[in-house]
This record gives sequence, structure tokens and C-alpha cells, in this order.
Amino acid sequence: DSGVTQTPKHLITATGQRVTLRCSPRSGDLSVYWYQQSLDQGLQFLIQYYNGEERAKGNILERFSAQQFPDLHSELNLSSLELGDSALYFCASSGRTGVDEQYFGPGTRLTVT
Amino acid sequence: LAKTTQPISMDSYEGQEVNITCSHNNIATNDYITWYQQFPSQGPRFIIQGYKTKVTNEVASLFIPADRKSSTLSLPRVSLSDTAVYYCPVRGAGSYQLTFGKGTKLSVIP
Repeated sequence: DSGVTQTPKHLITATGQRVTLRCSPRSGDLSVYWYQQSLDQGLQFLIQYYNGEERAKGNILERFSAQQFPDLHSELNLSSLELGDSALYFCASSGRTGVDEQYFGPGTRLTVT
Repeated sequence: LAKTTQPISMDSYEGQEVNITCSHNNIATNDYITWYQQFPSQGPRFIIQGYKTKVTNEVASLFIPADRKSSTLSLPRVSLSDTAVYYCPVRGAGSYQLTFGKGTKLSVIP
């Protein structure tokens, strides 16, 4: 158990819909990272927050957005969903910005039908 | 973006030592080298981290040559439970993000 929690574990929704994925980092960790993993693309970095502020942006679509709240939990919002958005979405946390030892949550499996 | 090169897959018999090499030609001078393990449908798990020479923990050893352009993860006496994908993510210069690549799929055979 990494100490990072993600909800929900599974999500099935239709194209065009909007969903919110939630992540609670390890106690004391200030950085939260979001990753997308699909079969053909591997593990892709989406976005990082540090203590409530956006710190780095990766291959995140404009239809996707995220935020980190004062209690340090984070949410990833996916809108206008397409079939290609079906993937595993992982959240990770670390203790300091830039540290490479990231702790990953169990992931949310999103299926868009 | 930083890039790594690893073998796509490797097979090994139980009880053997497995060495997985990763090439990271453009790693930044002050960046650490990190390896992760991922089982199917689970999040990656941090295994080991080093800067130069050799690092050993209870799970694996990490060998880093002086030029730091590659690294080798060594798993002693693998078991079936070591079947997983292994990644050596790196960070691009001036970037906070780790680039994971496709990893090496290790299959341990009984």
C-alpha cells in the first residue's frame, strides 16, 4: 500500500460525458502528479501540482483539467469524453517538487463507451 | 523531452540473476537515476535510485557507469512474482516531469 488513494476504482461512461477522478496523496506529500496509461501509449505524464499550484504540464488535452485543494487532495476533470480517453489514470505523490521517488495510487480505470 | 531506451522484453528462469539495462544519453548532470516496477493494472512502484557507481537495497542493485549515460538494474535470483514491467524514467533538463517510456516486460519462467 503506497498510501495514495484514488476513487473511483472503475468508471464507465458514455462519449461526450464529463467525469471527475479524485486522489488523496500520502500524508505530508505536497506534490501530486497525474498520469494516463493506455495500451498503445504507455505511461504518459499529464500534470503536476505542488502545494495547490500547477507546477508542470505534460501531454494533457484541453478537455482535461485538474486542481489541488488546500487539504492537498487533487481532482482530474475529463470532459467531452471520447472513446480514446479510455485508459488507466494514475495519481502519484512525492515529498518535494522534483524528487523522483513518486508513490503511485491504485489507479482509476475509465471506460468510455 | 528526455528519452530512454530499454529492451522491450526479457525472459528469465526462476532463480537466475536478471540484468536490465537502460540508456539515457541526455540525462541532466544533477538528476538521479530511478527504476520503477509495475504489475498489471497496478500503479508503478519505486524500486531503487542512484546517482553514480553502485546502489543496493533489499530488492535490487543499481549499477551506474562513470558517464551516467546508462544504468543497469540487477535483480538477484528472480521468482515468478518478479514478472512485471520495469521502467527507468528520466527527467528532461529543467523539467519536473518524469518520462517513463514503454519499459521492459520481464517474464519469469518456472
